[in-house]
Amino acid sequence: GAGVSQSPSNKVTEKGKDVELRCDPISGHTALYWYRQSLGQGLEFLIYFQGNSAPDKSGLPSDRFSAERTGGSVSTLTIQRTQQEDSAVYLCASSSPTVPPPYNEQFFGPGTRLTVL
Amino acid sequence: RKEVEQDPGPFNVPEGATVAFNCTYSNSASQSFFWYRQDCRKEPKLLMSVYSSGNEDGRFTAQLNRASQYISLLIRDSKLSDSATYLCVVNSETSYDKVIFGPGTSLSVIP
Repeated sequence: GAGVSQSPSNKVTEKGKDVELRCDPISGHTALYWYRQSLGQGLEFLIYFQGNSAPDKSGLPSDRFSAERTGGSVSTLTIQRTQQEDSAVYLCASSSPTVPPPYNEQFFGPGTRLTVL
Repeated sequence: RKEVEQDPGPFNVPEGATVAFNCTYSNSASQSFFWYRQDCRKEPKLLMSVYSSGNEDGRFTAQLNRASQYISLLIRDSKLSDSATYLCVVNSETSYDKVIFGPGTSLSVIP
């Protein structure tokens, strides 16, 4: 079946431009996560959506970052006025906490590699 | 204290060796525990869940010690293909449905 998809796979932008990254989760998955991973570093949590609950935005590094999830499915991560330190791989994952174990297994998309020049 | 901490690594071991990774977590109420594997330049993928009684999958054994709040992963008879970063994952203190990834421990299996 279809997994998590992300687009674009690569994005090169100039400093100061806005970018939008898209995530299509697995159909029926109620939870959606965004992470950031810089080269050689661990996963940095950004934001978490769960059903109709208010999103957990505690990981967003600044107010230049925002995300929305429309209709409980597709999510868009927007970075405004990009900076060079925003360069990283942005990973999206979805999960379905209601299914049997492994409870909360996260399925990751291939990521979007963002390069800010 | 970070919610999830792991051995800093990297671990460099010869083929056939046994290697163990440890992970500690801060939320005593955590109920979900996992080990993920991330290959270089790839997304993380679930390796195995960790159950209270401990569980084994081929050469991999996961253990949970609730009293000490740590999780371990043992890899026996290491293969070159085991080279990857191993991520410990625990559900969050702030939200039961949310999971937190540890920083990962890098393993290189050397011929």
